[in-house]
Amino acid sequence: QSALTQPASVSGSPGQSIAISCAGTSNDVGSYNLVSWYQQHPGKAPKLIIYEGSKRPSEVSNRFSGSKSGNTASLTISGLQAEDEADYFCCSYGGSSPFVFGSGTKVTVL
Amino acid sequence: QVQLVESGGGLVKPGGSLRLSCAASGFAISGNYRTYMSWIRQAPGKGLEWLAYLSGSGSSTHYADSVKGRFTISRDNAKNSLYLQMSSLRVDDTAVYYCARQVVGPTSHYFDSWGPGILVTVSS
Repeated sequence: QSALTQPASVSGSPGQSIAISCAGTSNDVGSYNLVSWYQQHPGKAPKLIIYEGSKRPSEVSNRFSGSKSGNTASLTISGLQAEDEADYFCCSYGGSSPFVFGSGTKVTVL
Repeated sequence: QVQLVESGGGLVKPGGSLRLSCAASGFAISGNYRTYMSWIRQAPGKGLEWLAYLSGSGSSTHYADSVKGRFTISRDNAKNSLYLQMSSLRVDDTAVYYCARQVVGPTSHYFDSWGPGILVTVSS
């Protein structure tokens, strides 16, 4: 099972909105509404920020939102803040493999 | 408050074995059919790789192809702890290993809590 494809890096200025794509196939992202997103600061464990495609845990800012179109899921961060600078990983149920992660995207706040 | 803490990592030679532990608190790792436990790793500077899960009932396990036959996931309900027995270790098994609580359901499939991780280095 190949990793889901994410851009290596995305950047934006404070206050701007950015989007991170997560491209899969009809066997994973396209077939299930089971995409989750994780934020990871350097040296820290990943943290769940989006589950079931577009739901947010209660403690996560509403500046984070998730969506899906066809075989591609997306994470949007609106009102970008310095604390959003981190790595972001998508994850999908993969059918034959319970979990397949994305390659990861480094978000830089300019 | 849910907490997961890994231990047992360190330096091991290629071909060697190591057992990782994950102590859970704030919830029971057994008995809830919707709560599974997983091991996930991250090689230095790389992405995340799911390795194995153990179902809430304890009756079901699943492994990634990369570790099948070499790693075994298990738990001790009395100690509320999860384990990963690793054998025939290779240099490319070097990574930070995380245990994570996994929520499972008809429309649910995600990791809602993670431990801080433990480093395993395989080197001669």
